[in-house]
Amino acid sequence: GQNIDQPTEMTATEGAIVQINCTYQTSGFNGLFWYQQHAGEAPTFLSYNVLDGLEEKGRFSSFLSRSKGYSYLLLKELQMKDSASYLCAVVDSNYQLIWGAGTKLIIKP
Amino acid sequence: ETGVTQTPRHLVMGMTNKKSLKCEQHLGHNAMYWYKQSAKKPLELMFVYNFKEQTENNSVPSRFSPECPNSSHLFLHLHTLQPEDSALYLCASSQVGDRAGNTIYFGEGSWLTVV
Repeated sequence: GQNIDQPTEMTATEGAIVQINCTYQTSGFNGLFWYQQHAGEAPTFLSYNVLDGLEEKGRFSSFLSRSKGYSYLLLKELQMKDSASYLCAVVDSNYQLIWGAGTKLIIKP
Repeated sequence: ETGVTQTPRHLVMGMTNKKSLKCEQHLGHNAMYWYKQSAKKPLELMFVYNFKEQTENNSVPSRFSPECPNSSHLFLHLHTLQPEDSALYLCASSQVGDRAGNTIYFGEGSWLTVV
């Protein structure tokens, strides 16, 4: 079967750095998405990786290793507004999105 | 504002009621989706419409029936629902063939409570 694993919940301190991991086992791979979802709001697009390596976008970076079936989202200089759920999703060989259950990130002052 | 608008945002209905969720996308996309989001579970894809044709129905019970009159509008008709159907229902759209692996844009969701 297809599976996406990410931690259920993480806690970090304002101003710090946090890394949210995502591991996947899917039938084929055509890219990996990270989305951010604040409570009661729509998920919003953060990043898309299809090649190995790190992609940086401001305070957020996303890393992919296809050989390891692994990705992480790195958030730097954490702000209170970064408190949200972070969803990992993989595009499989049929171009279907397979979603993880999301990681709830709690930022403390 | 994501370019995908859903109404109503909140809905409480009895198990014998009939109601509909509405979605409209202003992004010029050619595909629209209904997802179900339950607490601590992955997003569940319910229906996909590409170019107004339904291309996917992931074993969704018949008490949910989608309607896509054109590429900008999508409905989810609800009837004789069960309490376990209480969840957040998310509408989304994408441009099939987009470079970024069909980046999906979500609406803010309709919170459904079945009593």
